[in-house]
Amino acid sequence: KAGVTQTPRYLIKTRGQQVTLSCSPISGHRSVSWYQQTPGQGLQFLFEYFSETQRNKGNFPGRFSGRQFSNSRSEMNVSTLELGDSALYLCASSLAGPPYNEQFFGPGTRLTVL
Amino acid sequence: TQLLEQSPQFLSIQEGENLTVYCNSSSVFSSLQWYRQEPGEGPVLLVTVVTGGEVKKLKRLTFQFGDARKDSSLHITAAQPGDTGLYLCAGGTGANNLFFGTGTRLTVIP
Repeated sequence: KAGVTQTPRYLIKTRGQQVTLSCSPISGHRSVSWYQQTPGQGLQFLFEYFSETQRNKGNFPGRFSGRQFSNSRSEMNVSTLELGDSALYLCASSLAGPPYNEQFFGPGTRLTVL
Repeated sequence: TQLLEQSPQFLSIQEGENLTVYCNSSSVFSSLQWYRQEPGEGPVLLVTVVTGGEVKKLKRLTFQFGDARKDSSLHITAAQPGDTGLYLCAGGTGANNLFFGTGTRLTVIP
């Protein structure tokens, strides 16, 4: 079974631009979560989508948004990029929810904002 | 925000030594996962524990969930260079999102 895939793997943008990242979950997984990983803050939860609906949201500004399609693929968008948005953006899919909360991560998209 | 503190933050040991990584919180979690992440890749799930006091073994790795489900430990016996990586604990709640620990970067020197 194929794992979680993310595209693109690397991205360079300038301040003020917007960016869209894509994630394809493991086949059969309906929940997709997004995380931001930085050296200073570690891994932080952005949001989770299940059946095309945002089910949970972390503590990030409204510039960060996402959506999920009927085939469970998900995209996240960051508008008006800031230098501090430079990070590894990870997508994770899951089959079973609480209490196990097991999530399977993709390789991430490395975003650099100049 | 549920905070998970891991210790130590960095660990450098010789091949064959034993080590323990700790993951502590003041919050109760419904589950606790341990992940290992290598440079340029996403975290890979190692184990999930859900019952207070639960102990799971995965070859040379032993995972324990605290009785109160607030803390966990990862013990590696006879570490090998292939164990090198960033170890992350993550706590699960009633919602399907994880709160990640601060991470322990392990280097095993041949």
